[in-house]
Amino acid sequence: KNEVEQSPQNLTAQEGEFITINCSYSVGISALHWLQQHPGGGIVSLFMLSSGKKKHGRLIATINIQEKHSSLHITASHPRDSAVYICAALLTNTGNQFYFGTGTSLTVIP
Amino acid sequence: EPEVTQTPSHQVTQMGQEVILRCVPISNHLYFYWYRQILGQKVEFLVSFYNNEISEKSEIFDDQFSVERPDGSNFTLKIRSTKLEDSAMYFCASSAGPRYGYTFGSGTRLTVV
Repeated sequence: KNEVEQSPQNLTAQEGEFITINCSYSVGISALHWLQQHPGGGIVSLFMLSSGKKKHGRLIATINIQEKHSSLHITASHPRDSAVYICAALLTNTGNQFYFGTGTSLTVIP
Repeated sequence: EPEVTQTPSHQVTQMGQEVILRCVPISNHLYFYWYRQILGQKVEFLVSFYNNEISEKSEIFDDQFSVERPDGSNFTLKIRSTKLEDSAMYFCASSAGPRYGYTFGSGTRLTVV
């Protein structure tokens, strides 16, 4: 069974802290997507990457293909960053469907 | 910035009724997807659609589900005879290609009573 796992499941941080959310997968991937889901349920795409590193504002996503691992970092966290962060992997043996992790629920306290 | 639009945002329906969830993908995107998320669970793939036909579907996407692109802009998901367990948030997404970024709609929360 294809697995995409995230850690931690829940994360509470103080405002200003540096945050890391991890995603690992068990088979080869073509691409990996980091998504943000707000309390109302809407999903926003943050990054799509297949190698290396991408940065957008205070968010940084990295991926290590050999280690089958990706991380999402948030620098100088803020309460408005509170959301569920989800990684979704496009596995090389599954055509064009993404497999989703269970998400990391982040709460940033002022 | 282009958006994927989903309507309605919330639908309540009686068990056994048919529902149609509507999506307007980004206009120059070619790949369309439906995902669902049962409350408290992870997002699950339902179906992908390309070139006016289903390209992939999951085990969840059984005979009670169907998708259509009735015109050049809309992409619909029909559930023929809803069950209680169909209650979920349904997300539409579109992309220029599987290895390009996805854009998700804001979802339709379906409640079957």
